[in-house]
Amino acid sequence: QEQLVQSGAEVKKPGASVKVSCQASGSMFTTYYMHWVRQAPGQGLEWIGIINPGGDSTTYAQQFQGRVAMTRDTSTGTLYMELSSLRSEDTAVYYCAREDSSSGQLMDYWGQGTLVTVSS
Amino acid sequence: QSVLTQPPSASGTPGQRVTISCSGSSSNIGDNYVYWYQQFPGTAPKLLIYRNDQRPSGVPDRFSGSKSGTSASLAIRGLRSEDEADYYCATWDDSLRGRVFGGGTKLTVL
Repeated sequence: QEQLVQSGAEVKKPGASVKVSCQASGSMFTTYYMHWVRQAPGQGLEWIGIINPGGDSTTYAQQFQGRVAMTRDTSTGTLYMELSSLRSEDTAVYYCAREDSSSGQLMDYWGQGTLVTVSS
Repeated sequence: QSVLTQPPSASGTPGQRVTISCSGSSSNIGDNYVYWYQQFPGTAPKLLIYRNDQRPSGVPDRFSGSKSGTSASLAIRGLRSEDEADYYCATWDDSLRGRVFGGGTKLTVL
């Protein structure tokens, strides 16, 4: 069964970094582009970026460039999203999501979300 | 401030038809596919419409999408209480070189 399972909640201090993981099962991993999206409390969805199937190409939203890094470990089927220089505004639920480019279905499978809280 | 503009709220009674709009520009909706997502509180979003008007397997045909120029719409006919959720549009923006979401519309079934 296709599934994306994310790591648990994190609490970080301002200025620190956080690394969120997303474990893909089944055929989810090897051939799909993967996105990261976040949602601040009570707010809408915000796209962070995308990584290609091979893990050698990424595109980040302008507001995160220089502060975010997306990687993927093909041997374990795990995605990572690291966000640095955290500030209180980064408090949000972070989601990984799959893109099935063959069918055109953008973000058709989502992880359960990881709450990242930034607080001093 | 979202690049795509959605009404913050919409409402309807059971059985009614409601539409949710998503307004953009030539650099996003005007030149790219539009997607719609449904989200219930505390859960991950769910893909409802892809490539402007296509429904993924399992999405009821009560949901339909359309696009015209730089705007798109999600229509829900035969409204049900379980449709009460937040709805988001999304597309690619050529100027920003990234995916963008609308601000979301909270649908209330009266």
